[in-house]
Amino acid sequence: SQTIHQWPATLVQPVGSPLSLECTVEGTSNPNLYWYRQAAGRGLQLLFYSIGIGQISSEVPQNLSASRPQDRQFILSSKKLLLSDSGFYLCAWSVLDSRPGELFFGEGSRLTVL
Amino acid sequence: GESVGLHLPTLSVQEGDNSIINCAYSNSASDYFIWYKQESGKGPQFIIDIRSNMDKRQGQRVTVLLNKTVKHLSLQIAATQPGDSAVYFCAETNQAGTALIFGKGTTLSVSS
Repeated sequence: SQTIHQWPATLVQPVGSPLSLECTVEGTSNPNLYWYRQAAGRGLQLLFYSIGIGQISSEVPQNLSASRPQDRQFILSSKKLLLSDSGFYLCAWSVLDSRPGELFFGEGSRLTVL
Repeated sequence: GESVGLHLPTLSVQEGDNSIINCAYSNSASDYFIWYKQESGKGPQFIIDIRSNMDKRQGQRVTVLLNKTVKHLSLQIAATQPGDSAVYFCAETNQAGTALIFGKGTTLSVSS
């Protein structure tokens, strides 16, 4: 069966520090991969998606970047965190297709920037 | 731009009642819609989906209705239970058809 792992689960970082959130999918090949952010009391904002290694699409301009060094690994990074980067970050995957099917989400990483 | 919204941020019902959660979408070209349920501190979980060539789809205790004329989507939960308490999101495909765009969510509270 397929599983998705995100870490760390919680993170408290000072403003200006770097960030690295990791996501790994097991049990499937060539998944579509996604990073979403959920601010407190708000909906999910799509940050990045990837349909293959080295193929990253960014939905909104921001202080973050994403990389996909391996087929089933998706990393969200920042060189210098801002207060506004605080939120609940969710990684998700879907079966490779021309359209996004059902998304399978990880348990999330809660980031607090102080 | 693309946006998916919900009519009410919160909905409170009694156990056993039927719940209806509404969603309006803006991308008339969207051909796929999904409802997700998110419990506190967890990632969203798939509930039910519907393609644009359908008006209605039923699952276990849930029904999704799609009105393409007014770009409206709704989720009906029959015999609502306390375990149904969560935030519910509707989602549609983005313009490129490559990702899902989520609405802001409706918090459903079920009291017994």
